[in-house]
Formats: sequence, C-alpha cells, structure tokens
Amino acid sequence: DGGITQSPKYLFRKEGQNVTLSCEQNLNHDAMYWYRQDPGQGLRLIYYSQIVNDFQKGDIAEGYSVSREKKESFPLTVTSAQKNPTAFYLCASSSMGGTAATEQYFGPGTRLTVT
Amino acid sequence: AQSVTQPDIHITVSEGASLELRCNYSYGATPYLFWYVQSPGQGLQLLLKYFSGDTLVQGIKGFEAEFKRSQSSFNLRKPSVHWSDAAEYFCAVGAGRDDKIIFGKGTRLHILP
Repeated sequence: DGGITQSPKYLFRKEGQNVTLSCEQNLNHDAMYWYRQDPGQGLRLIYYSQIVNDFQKGDIAEGYSVSREKKESFPLTVTSAQKNPTAFYLCASSSMGGTAATEQYFGPGTRLTVT
Repeated sequence: AQSVTQPDIHITVSEGASLELRCNYSYGATPYLFWYVQSPGQGLQLLLKYFSGDTLVQGIKGFEAEFKRSQSSFNLRKPSVHWSDAAEYFCAVGAGRDDKIIFGKGTRLHILP
C-alpha cells in the first residue's frame, strides 16, 4: 500500500541533543512538508520541499534543518537551538509542488519529548 | 496573506444529531479550501476540498461543505453524526502558486451517546 511512514512514533531526548525524525513516502510525490502541532495551535509549517535537492523555510524554521537527497525521503533534524522542541511532528506529501491546489497526504506523526 | 479561523474550539453533539463546524477564511481571491480530520495521536485525513465549480462539495464519511463567497465561509456539515466521528477537525486554506496551506486551530468534536 502506498503511503507515508514516520518513525519512530515516540521519541525521547535529553535537552541539548540533536534528533532526526524520519519521513518516507512511496507515493511518488514531488513535494514534501514538515509541520509542528501543539495543543490548540493547529499545524504550523516548518520546512517544505518542492523537488529533490531543494527546500524552503516555512513559518517556524528556526532551530530545525532538513535535507532532500532522495524523492521519497525528507528527514527533519531538531537541533539544540530549538528552544521548545517538545511537540507532535507531522510529515506530509503532495503530488506536485508550487501550488496549493493539491491534496496533502499525512503520515501518522512522531511525538517528540525533550527533557 | 491568507488566514483561516475556526471559531469553535470544542463542540458537543448527541449521536444521531446534525453537525455544522464553522470555518471563515481571509483571502482576496477564490482560495483553495480543505477540511481534514484527525483522530487522537494520528495524522490528518482529507475529508473534502473545494477548488472551483459547484459550491456544495461532497466528501468522505457522509460529510459535505458549502463555499459561500459572500460570507468568506466554508462550513462543514453532516446530517447525522456517529460516535466514530469524535475527532479534531481542521479547516485549511491555500492560495495561488504558493505551496503553503494555512490550517485553522481546529475544532474538537465530542459525541454524546
């Protein structure tokens, strides 16, 4: 079955450590996205990528980094510079980038807890 | 820039009752509009979308939404809710050649037996 996988589902880290969240899709989609979800805040865009080897900052990119070396993979690194990293992280993809006129498909999410 | 407002943080309805979740958007032209649903601890699933054409849009799970340009609204409706509809619902708006979709803060739906 085609879809988006995120691993792990739960992740625990100590403050000051970098951590990388995995996102893989087998939908052959060009565009991929990372969102952060906090209670009562909806979804906020961290980074997005329209094509391989290209990505853009979203609304809350500070303290995060990404790479897009392969079409199917878009890992997110939460660095120690992110002041409040504990959150639920969602990865999404869409068939084409450069337009909002396309459905985004979401993975199951990773809940990151930093203590 | 576009924005979206969901005025109701929580809504409680009885099983079998009708449902309407409100969504208002701000954008100068016709936006792309979406409703997504999220079960606890899960990702989001698209219920329906509006890009153009008929302003009454049918979606999955018996949901529909109506685009009203004059009111800048895209309210979600269901004639009879089921206990399995308890979830959080997000309205989202996109525009133009930008990838960005702006999500509302969500409405959590509770179902009384």
